[in-house]
Amino acid sequence: AQSVTQLDSQVPVFEEAPVELRCNYSSSVSVYLFWYVQYPNQGLQLLLKYLSGSTLVKGINGFEAEFNKSQTSFHLRKPSVHISDTAEYFCAVETGGFKTIFGAGTRLFVKA
Amino acid sequence: ETGVTQSPTHLIKTRGQQVTLRCSSQSGHNTVSWYQQALGQGPQFIFQYYREEENGRGNFPPRFSGLQFPNYSSELNVNALELDDSALYLCASINPTGGTSDEQYFGPGTRLTVT
Repeated sequence: AQSVTQLDSQVPVFEEAPVELRCNYSSSVSVYLFWYVQYPNQGLQLLLKYLSGSTLVKGINGFEAEFNKSQTSFHLRKPSVHISDTAEYFCAVETGGFKTIFGAGTRLFVKA
Repeated sequence: ETGVTQSPTHLIKTRGQQVTLRCSSQSGHNTVSWYQQALGQGPQFIFQYYREEENGRGNFPPRFSGLQFPNYSSELNVNALELDDSALYLCASINPTGGTSDEQYFGPGTRLTVT
């Protein structure tokens, strides 16, 4: 069975600093990997996705993620964060037919 | 804005009651998935509907049921509400194109509180 582990429940960081949100997954088959962002009182918005090909994936709002098959990781990075990046971030695995499995989330808190 | 709407925004029900939540998909999207997001957790897959038929189900009891209509809007029904059903319920619409993966467009959710 597939599973997703987000290694940090909260990540505080100062504005303009770099950030990395960590995600590990387990699966016995090939997977599609996603990062979503959820702002307060809103639904989920897709940041980026890995389907195949280049292991470095660029998304919206300056975020990128790197797929590492040997370490079964898909960490999200941003070189310089803004106050507006404060939100909940979810790593997810798609098992086929869009039955997506989400991690528990990482709350990114950007401080001035 | 994803073009996916959900109603109501908030809802308070009493244990044992029944509730119906509604989702209006993005135009032309014939597939909808429903998720339950408990406080402090990630969304959990409830079920998916494709062209009015259930197309897969997560680990939820039968008192969670759904419908999809010919215009592809959908409902999530929960009977015999329990306190643990308190959560944000999200729907996501998809227009499968036969590609490797098609994007899910999430609505803003319905916040259900069971007292």
